[in-house]
Amino acid sequence: DVVMTQSPLSLPVTLGQPASISCRSSQSLVYSDGNTYLNWFQQRPGQSPRRLIYKVSNRESGVPDRFSGSGSGTDFTLKISRVEAEDVGVYYCMQGRHWPWTFGQGTKVEIK
Amino acid sequence: EVQLVESGGGLVQPGGSLRLSCAASGFTFSTSWMSWVRQAPGKGLEWVANINEDGSEKYYVDSVKGRFTISRDNAKNSLYLQMNSLRAGDTAVYYCARGQQLNYWGQGTLVTVSS
Repeated sequence: DVVMTQSPLSLPVTLGQPASISCRSSQSLVYSDGNTYLNWFQQRPGQSPRRLIYKVSNRESGVPDRFSGSGSGTDFTLKISRVEAEDVGVYYCMQGRHWPWTFGQGTKVEIK
Repeated sequence: EVQLVESGGGLVQPGGSLRLSCAASGFTFSTSWMSWVRQAPGKGLEWVANINEDGSEKYYVDSVKGRFTISRDNAKNSLYLQMNSLRAGDTAVYYCARGQQLNYWGQGTLVTVSS
């Protein structure tokens, strides 16, 4: 199975400051169609997860533009340009290229 | 508006069975892959199974192969997860999600396996 490794696992951030989460996969996530199937999900406390980013860098409709995704091959990053209170929660990367799909361990973002 | 509503969770003894359902609305269900994902209490997310649009392709995580069966009824806009030979380790909130890449999620249903 493809192992997804996130860091850090805990990320205390000051309001208005940037935050960055790394995700590395044990295999390339590039598919034969040229797409890279790396997704980012946000899970706020007590809520279901929701997808923020798909295919590395595409934001879902309604996701604030302070969220951005980047990377290629096996190395990916989720950035929040200026953290707001509503961004508190756990963030997961997930690969949808190799069965079984696998998630990272999750990164807990909290306000300092 | 896309809506996914899971039901069927509850308390079951080890070795028992349970069937989860997911009622879909707000999108064309019959042309969408569908998925189940679970989350054990206080833990991370684990993808469980996917099914393609007509039910001819199904994929499972190794830990549930031979015990769980994903299925769908496109006439009823419904997704199912039949869970047999349940173990304590299957205790989790089970979410249904739209698409191979999980672009919409339901609110989840809790399955507790305990004697």
